[in-house]
Amino acid sequence: DQQVKQNSPSLSVQEGRISILNCDYTNSMFDYFLWYKKYPAEGPTFLISISSIKDKNEDGRFTVFLNKSAKHLSLHIVPSQPGDSAVYFCAASSGSGSEKLVFGKGTKLTVNP
Amino acid sequence: KAGVTQTPRYLIKTRGQQVTLSCSPISGHRSVSWYQQTPGQGLQFLFEYFSETQRNKGNFPGRFSGRQFSNSRSEMNVSTLELGDSALYLCASSLKASGRAVEFFGPGTRLTVL
Repeated sequence: DQQVKQNSPSLSVQEGRISILNCDYTNSMFDYFLWYKKYPAEGPTFLISISSIKDKNEDGRFTVFLNKSAKHLSLHIVPSQPGDSAVYFCAASSGSGSEKLVFGKGTKLTVNP
Repeated sequence: KAGVTQTPRYLIKTRGQQVTLSCSPISGHRSVSWYQQTPGQGLQFLFEYFSETQRNKGNFPGRFSGRQFSNSRSEMNVSTLELGDSALYLCASSLKASGRAVEFFGPGTRLTVL
């Protein structure tokens, strides 16, 4: 059972435009969500997170939106840059303190110059 | 501050052999987690150690085991290797043993089983 789903394996956008990466989850106990970015031959690096008490968190060009009722979150990148081309993983955890991060399968973003 | 380091970076083994992977967390981090990444499967949680104790374990067979030392360094062992064990094995460290803590990943060990 896949508790965190990233239904788009890949996404291609033009430089300067908006990239929107989506993530759905099924476990209503999840209350903390993160996005990681991964380049080939490197480990994932933390990008941005959001707690369930918020519906939006912004950090520079990156904004994460959380819709708890729909169990859906999205990552917006504006404007997209070629260096943003990577695999993006959505991850979630519950607040019990003993639950670990559950990751989606990732979305490969390609930003074309 | 140095990041998470993993050794070796690449490894080739044959079926039936065993392998040990090593991970050194960021200084001060006491939680170390291991993940397996295979094409199309994302990151699958193997286990987590905090202060030398295994706190969580994923759905992997008993051939996969690990341990953590008093200096927080961790090792992961896979016995009786199978072809399907070929994957990128990632180690991550964090300050707290909590799902709320950001995990910092190492570059991974690419294991190929022939």
